[in-house]
Amino acid sequence: RKEVEQDPGPFNVPEGATVAFNCTYSNSASQSFFWYRQDCRKEPKLLMSVYSSGNEDGRFTAQLNRASQYISLLIRDSKLSDSATYLCVVNMGAGSYQLTFGKGTKLSVIP
Amino acid sequence: GAVVSQHPSWVICKSGTSVKIECRSLDFQATTMFWYRQFPKQSLMLMATSNEGSKATYEQGVEKDKFLINHASLTLSTLTVTSAHPEDSSFYICSASDRVGYTFGSGTRLTVV
Repeated sequence: RKEVEQDPGPFNVPEGATVAFNCTYSNSASQSFFWYRQDCRKEPKLLMSVYSSGNEDGRFTAQLNRASQYISLLIRDSKLSDSATYLCVVNMGAGSYQLTFGKGTKLSVIP
Repeated sequence: GAVVSQHPSWVICKSGTSVKIECRSLDFQATTMFWYRQFPKQSLMLMATSNEGSKATYEQGVEKDKFLINHASLTLSTLTVTSAHPEDSSFYICSASDRVGYTFGSGTRLTVV
């Protein structure tokens, strides 16, 4: 089983739509969780950290379910500029700074 | 915010030559830096963890004699791809941990011809 799994997509949605991405991780000892955004041929950029209580940043909402080892990202009112690949990223913790990346889910927002 | 500067952005080299990629933390000290490689439509794969003043830790399957890592100061880590071959063509990205989280360099697109 892969350490971090995501639906690769692509997700093609119209502007204004709400889209949800899911991610599962295999290591129950994982301690930190993130969503990164990567544009084509660019480096990943932090979109938001994911907390157990769930957190929201504008149109973006992230949730974590530790029992199910599941992370989600919800984007409301999609914009054309949201088109990118969204990476689910996990840090195993226990003194390690290493990040494990999912393959990413590609989103295309269509006019 | 924290900035990691990576150079060059892209490089084309002949098969058999060596290429050095630099990664600098500009406004913070990075005890640990990470080097990743990303092939088209694939996820970032950790190649090695670079620790200032000590030998790098390589992931399984990554040849340490081919991918030389030097982390001589708290702000600079370098990755040298030695005797490059076309299969080494990839997107190489460095990352450092700062107070907020992890900051990535802008990446180096290596093409070996």
